[in-house]
Amino acid sequence: AQSVTQLDSQVPVFEEAPVELRCNYSSSVSVYLFWYVQYPNQGLQLLLKYLSGSTLVKGINGFEAEFNKSQTSFHLRKPSVHISDTAEYFCAVTERDTGRRALTFGSGTRLQVQP
Amino acid sequence: DARVTQTPRDKVTEMGQEVTMRCQPILGHNTVFWYRQTMMQGLELLAYFRNRAPLDDSGMPKDRFSAEMPDATLATLKIQPSEPRDSAVYFCASGLGLRTGEGETQYFGPGTRLLVL
Repeated sequence: AQSVTQLDSQVPVFEEAPVELRCNYSSSVSVYLFWYVQYPNQGLQLLLKYLSGSTLVKGINGFEAEFNKSQTSFHLRKPSVHISDTAEYFCAVTERDTGRRALTFGSGTRLQVQP
Repeated sequence: DARVTQTPRDKVTEMGQEVTMRCQPILGHNTVFWYRQTMMQGLELLAYFRNRAPLDDSGMPKDRFSAEMPDATLATLKIQPSEPRDSAVYFCASGLGLRTGEGETQYFGPGTRLLVL
């Protein structure tokens, strides 16, 4: 079984400031890691995913995340945020080798970008 | 622009009524997932299918919920009878069903917002 912990439920930040959204996971098997974004009244959209290889993963809209195996973390970063980045962000995992495809989500972090 | 579609977008019903939610996965995708989102529980898996066969429905209350795929272009989630605690947003997602080791992306529909009074 897996679990995902997003340490911050809300992150307020000013426009053009950098931001980091934290994610830690726990799993008894190897996993793939994902970040999804949910804009108000919409479904979830993939930002980026880590499968293997380079631990720094770049995604859409200028976001990137770094996989740290020893700390079982997958923190999301953006060097300069925009008002349009205001949304809820979900970290998620799936099992790597068992074929089970269902996502296990964290509780979400609401990013609030202020002018 | 291929998308997952869900109907209805919003549903208000009274306790005890049957509710049916529908999902059309992206053409060519062979895995379909149903998730439920609530303030208290967050996003949780209800059921998922591959090639129309149910693989995991352990997250679904069996006495009142049922999920089916009558064909490759339609997935349904039914609640009978509905209860106020079923109020939530229900998301359908689909994926390519890649072989193990390829970390497939799930594409989410806009959700059905259900309110049971």
